[in-house]
Amino acid sequence: DAKTTQPNSMESNEEEPVHLPCNHSTISGTDYIHWYRQLPSQGPEYVIHGLTSNVNNRMASLAIAEDRKSSTLILHRATLRDAAVYYCILRDGYNQGGKLIFGQGTELSVKP
Amino acid sequence: EAGVTQFPSHSVIEKGQTVTLRCDPISGHDNLYWYRRVMGKEIKFLLHFVKESKQDESGMPNNRFLAERTGGTYSTLKVQPAELEDSGVYFCASSQETRGLIHNEQFFGPGTRLTVL
Repeated sequence: DAKTTQPNSMESNEEEPVHLPCNHSTISGTDYIHWYRQLPSQGPEYVIHGLTSNVNNRMASLAIAEDRKSSTLILHRATLRDAAVYYCILRDGYNQGGKLIFGQGTELSVKP
Repeated sequence: EAGVTQFPSHSVIEKGQTVTLRCDPISGHDNLYWYRRVMGKEIKFLLHFVKESKQDESGMPNNRFLAERTGGTYSTLKVQPAELEDSGVYFCASSQETRGLIHNEQFFGPGTRLTVL
């Protein structure tokens, strides 16, 4: 069901940047790219979203390829608290109230 | 502002018993969702309420699952009778009314871990 593909796992060192890739080759023109993450023993939480342009917020940056078939979530300085499963999710802009379709996500581990 | 709360945090029951999970969404949120993750699998959507109405129940696995949201506030998810394969973590999420919004973030609760023995 998921329309995105991500690596199963990635490792990072604390205080170094992390680039989490996502492929979404079948993205449609009205799909927004959303990222959620799930910290251990918690529910998922929203991280960032974008349509075409790169986006920045206090948590992360989102770089979107020009053809929109891939994107990269960037954590500028990973902390131990960033260890989580990161999900890249497409959401139809005309149905923003609809369900989230989770894939397997990328499990990020951060080493001190 | 209080987040989404779920009760209980853990539930251990025997096969054939009934369990009722409760979700209290963020106050004022019209949209309420149920999801679950069973062992080793991805998080899967179960159903979506808009106020007290079921907007989408395409993810409900079978008729042993009954969700209600009387009055459009809190919701319950009843499993009757529970089977071994129902074990997993059940998440509830809520979001604001979507009319006119481009982005509609879902806020998740911490989940209820259900174990069926």
